[in-house]
Amino acid sequence: SQQGEEDPQALSIQEGENATMNCSYKTSINNLQWYRQNSGRGLVHLILIRSNEREKHSGRLRVTLDTSKKSSSLLITASRAADTASYFCATDQGGKLIFGQGTELSVKP
Amino acid sequence: DAGVIQSPRHEVTEMGQEVTLRCKPISGHDYLFWYRQTMMRGLELLIYFNNNVPIDDSGMPEDRFSAKMPNASFSTLKIQPSEPRDSAVYFCASSLWYTAGANYQPQHFGDGTRLSIL
Repeated sequence: SQQGEEDPQALSIQEGENATMNCSYKTSINNLQWYRQNSGRGLVHLILIRSNEREKHSGRLRVTLDTSKKSSSLLITASRAADTASYFCATDQGGKLIFGQGTELSVKP
Repeated sequence: DAGVIQSPRHEVTEMGQEVTLRCKPISGHDYLFWYRQTMMRGLELLIYFNNNVPIDDSGMPEDRFSAKMPNASFSTLKIQPSEPRDSAVYFCASSLWYTAGANYQPQHFGDGTRLSIL
């Protein structure tokens, strides 16, 4: 079964708006990562947050982690049409990545 | 730099045929992973190798699936005989060595092989 469950499954916003995606997981983790997948392409690593971190930034990306609630969120600020993609959270389980089902983000120009 | 290279990009074949998917990881990477992606089950890890040695194949669905890594620059995933339910996108990924919980190295994915079994 999937370790991560993402919410919402699909999100449609206008360019310039912020997009927030959430991920919940079930077991203890070493770290949590977010990946992006453009249509017809492989996954691309975006950002990693360790279990002892609460928040991390990378450009327009902001990731939070709440280990007490076993949840994480990915915020994309000032979205662009090029951000249209599926976004997956993944947890590191002893060297194996377990992926969530993903959030499909559509950013309309 | 060349990324992970998978071939073929698309494969359409009839049920019962043997299918071989190929992957060339990024040079110098120690880990190689095979995943399968479907709408119903999402992205599933099938097997992974460390320094050409299979470490965990618990995700391989059944004996019809086999994977090999004869050297550091090449891996294959074989399905024999193929069935319609094997239709999916198969991804190969590679990463540098890391220790669990420390100095994590991200996985680099190829663009996948879209497999259709008729």
